[in-house]
Amino acid sequence: DTGVSQDPRHKITKRGQNVTFRCDPISEHNRLYWYRQTLGQGPEFLTYFQNEAQLEKSRLLSDRFSAERPKGSFSTLEIQRTEQGDSAMYLCASSLGVGKSSGNTIYFGEGSWLTVV
Amino acid sequence: GDSVTQMEGPVTLSEEAFLTINCTYTATGYPSLFWYVQYPGEGLQLLLKATKADDKGSNKGFEATYRKETTSFHLEKGSVQVSDSAVYFCALPVSGSARQLTFGSGTQLTVLP
Repeated sequence: DTGVSQDPRHKITKRGQNVTFRCDPISEHNRLYWYRQTLGQGPEFLTYFQNEAQLEKSRLLSDRFSAERPKGSFSTLEIQRTEQGDSAMYLCASSLGVGKSSGNTIYFGEGSWLTVV
Repeated sequence: GDSVTQMEGPVTLSEEAFLTINCTYTATGYPSLFWYVQYPGEGLQLLLKATKADDKGSNKGFEATYRKETTSFHLEKGSVQVSDSAVYFCALPVSGSARQLTFGSGTQLTVLP
């Protein structure tokens, strides 16, 4: 399978613990995105990488959240000192960015479910 | 700002019924428009897209036509199946950019046998 891969698919953690999610984008896709989705809602944008550079961050991304893409391939999203409000599905996506075309399609992974108890 | 307004659900249909899920948008210019589908417990899958006005996107029997006059991108299927039960999201790039998408709130479809 050559789609976007996320790990782990499910994570249950106690409040106050740190968690890290990994995303492997589609090979050769230079753009990588993180979204968050809560029950009954559409995904909300968190952050975006072009290669290894983090170019955009949403106001939703508090100081407890940090994302990296050190070699421009896989990415990690870490949440420190988790809170119950962090319970959500964290979606990774990637696209092949070519210039500033708005027609590039964004492909999503299966998501990583986080439950904070 | 750019936004998507999607028909509220849930929608319940019998198998082989006709489906329409309404989507209207507000945007600068004429961005690409997308429909994504999310099956229970899974991530989003791209269902179809249209990149310019009057384009029709189609996939798996679903169709949507980009109507700039009515700023709409309604999703239709002539005969739904039980396996179509899922949540459907309309989406467009923010400010005509592919850097991020803004999504509608989603429409839950349940198809009964």
